[in-house]
Amino acid sequence: KQEVTQIPAALSVPEGENLVLNCSFTDSAIYNLQWFRQDPGKGLTSLLLIQSSQREQTSGRLNASLDKSSGRSTLYIAASQPGDSATYLCAVSTGNEKLTFGTGTRLTIIP
Amino acid sequence: DTGVSQDPRHKITKRGQNVTFRCDPISEHNRLYWYRQTLGQGPEFLTYFQNEAQLEKSRLLSDRFSAERPKGSFSTLEIQRTEQGDSAMYLCASSGSLNYGYTFGSGTRLTVV
Repeated sequence: KQEVTQIPAALSVPEGENLVLNCSFTDSAIYNLQWFRQDPGKGLTSLLLIQSSQREQTSGRLNASLDKSSGRSTLYIAASQPGDSATYLCAVSTGNEKLTFGTGTRLTIIP
Repeated sequence: DTGVSQDPRHKITKRGQNVTFRCDPISEHNRLYWYRQTLGQGPEFLTYFQNEAQLEKSRLLSDRFSAERPKGSFSTLEIQRTEQGDSAMYLCASSGSLNYGYTFGSGTRLTVV
């Protein structure tokens, strides 16, 4: 059974700093991995999708990497801003139409 | 196309009442999913439709829960005889292909009092 872990559960950093969020998964036979952002009481906004054959994806200040063999993904946020404060979730697809989510990292950017 | 729409955004109901939620997926997406998220947890899979066919249901989906997707368009999720443990955020997602990932709606927050 696929299990997804996100550490740390919460992170606070001063505005302007670069930061890395971590995601690990137990079964390396994944189809793809998706990072989402969730604001309090809201739905999920897709940030980046990495296919199993890819090593990284970039969108603006965000960069996600994937190391399938070690069961790890990271989300790098450059030059953090207060508007980046949210919970970040990673989700793994094994191609069976079900996403397995981690419990998320709650990020607070301190102005 | 404005993405995945869910209605209502919030629902407060008394224990024992029935509730129904609606999801309108992205129009060209043939796959539709329901997830449930409790406080501090990641979303958990409930059920999946491809077009109008319900192809998979989680064991989380007790017999009080039923989902439909008539004509392969919008979907409804009904909870009968609600219990306090049903309080959660119910999220709908759609996808045209697993290669392109999932698009989620804003969710329906259910509170059972």
